[in-house]
Amino acid sequence: AQSVTQLDSHVSVSEGTPVLLRCNYSSSYSPSLFWYVQHPNKGLQLLLKYTSAATLVKGINGFEAEFKKSETSFHLTKPSAHMSDAAEYFCVVRGHGSSNTGKLIFGQGTTLQVKP
Amino acid sequence: DAEITQSPRHKITETGRQVTLACHQTWNHNNMFWYRQDLGHGLRLIHYSYGVHDTNKGEVSDGYSVSRSNTEDLPLTLESAASSQTSVYFCASSEVAGVQETQYFGPGTRLLVL
Repeated sequence: AQSVTQLDSHVSVSEGTPVLLRCNYSSSYSPSLFWYVQHPNKGLQLLLKYTSAATLVKGINGFEAEFKKSETSFHLTKPSAHMSDAAEYFCVVRGHGSSNTGKLIFGQGTTLQVKP
Repeated sequence: DAEITQSPRHKITETGRQVTLACHQTWNHNNMFWYRQDLGHGLRLIHYSYGVHDTNKGEVSDGYSVSRSNTEDLPLTLESAASSQTSVYFCASSEVAGVQETQYFGPGTRLLVL
C-alpha cells in the first residue's frame, strides 16, 4: 500500500532563510507525488507534482522538490522564505492497485511558520 | 474562468438531521472526489466518482452518500448527522485518470454538528 510520512508537524524559519519540508513515501510502484499548500481558511492549491519525468521538480512561488528513489524521499525546498509562505503543506502520493487507483493519499501536514 | 465551488461555506446542524453539501465544477471534469479534513489525519477520502451515475466508497464512507446525475455536480449527503462528522469538507475534481491526473480542490465547507 502507498503512504506518505511528513517528518515534521511544525517548521519555523525566519523570513529570507531556506525552507525544508521533509516527506518520505512508501510505494510498490513508481509513485506519482504531489505537494499541496493550504493557506488559513482556504482550499488546497497544487504546488508541484512528480510523475516519473525529471527528478527535480519546480513548482509555483519558488518551491521545488527532488524525488530521490534511493531515499524514498520527496522533500520540498525554497531558497528564501517569504511571510506569505506561512501555511499548511501536504505531501501526497497517488494510490495504485485495484482498490486505490486514482486516489490521493495525504500526509498529516506540516505547518510552516515564517518569522519576521 | 472555470472553477470548483462548494456551498454552503459554513453550516451548523443538529445530530440526526440530514445535511447535503454541494459541489459544482465548471471544468467538465469526469472525476470528482469528496474528502474530510481533521486535525492529525490530513485529508481522507469519503466518496468519489469517475463519471455520471458512477460512485465509489472511499476510506471513510460510513454515514455519507453521493449521487452523480450530471458531470458538473457531486452532492455529499450526511444521512443522519453525528458529532463525529464535524469537520472541514473538500470537494475536488480531475480530468484524466492515471499518471497525469491532477486534482483541483474547492474552498471547503466547515460543518459543525451539535
